[in-house]
Amino acid sequence: GAVVSQHPSWVICKSGTSVKIECRSLDFQATTMFWYRQFPKQSLMLMATSNEGSKATYEQGVEKDKFLINHASLTLSTLTVTSAHPEDSSFYICSARGPGTAWAEQYFGPGTRLTVT
Amino acid sequence: AQSVTQLDSHVSVSEGTPVLLRCNYSSSYSPSLFWYVQHPNKGLQLLLKYTSAATLVKGINGFEAEFKKSETSFHLTKPSAHMSDAAEYFCVVSGGSDQGGKLIFGQGTELSVKP
Repeated sequence: GAVVSQHPSWVICKSGTSVKIECRSLDFQATTMFWYRQFPKQSLMLMATSNEGSKATYEQGVEKDKFLINHASLTLSTLTVTSAHPEDSSFYICSARGPGTAWAEQYFGPGTRLTVT
Repeated sequence: AQSVTQLDSHVSVSEGTPVLLRCNYSSSYSPSLFWYVQHPNKGLQLLLKYTSAATLVKGINGFEAEFKKSETSFHLTKPSAHMSDAAEYFCVVSGGSDQGGKLIFGQGTELSVKP
């Protein structure tokens, strides 16, 4: 149980275009989802916290107009990278926390590799 | 505020020898602590977690960690390394309720296993 999926697993896009990444909790309802980015050989950096039915809370330094997060249902959150540039190339990972889990337990998706050319 | 420090950015061991990955934490209250493993281009897999129960925590794949409050440490160990253990390991502490229970990651330790 507690499986989180991401789609796509990898994507290549041209500079200036927008890309949408989906994060789904497959067998539980996730009231809270988190979005991270990870540069090569580095740790995960939390970008934002998304709660179902409300606006996402962004970490300091993360551009909310560039990284649009929508958590429209209890099983789906999306991250849209708008007007992508090469510096946005990264590994994006989501995690989900359900109502029945321990306070801090999160389940991670497999990640999405974004390459902007 | 909570924080976590992984003392080694890279650890190299020979197959069949013990593994020790070191982690120190800082927390103003009794923390929840985790170890995650990440294989190349993959997501994170939970190895084990400490949530104020037994101080010696056993996880998957033969890993275990001991919570030592006096030393503010949560080191990860395994008696005998396997080639498949080669990966990146993250020590993680949960933020408090004032931080929405966010996870705070260490910088990671890359484990190499030599044949």
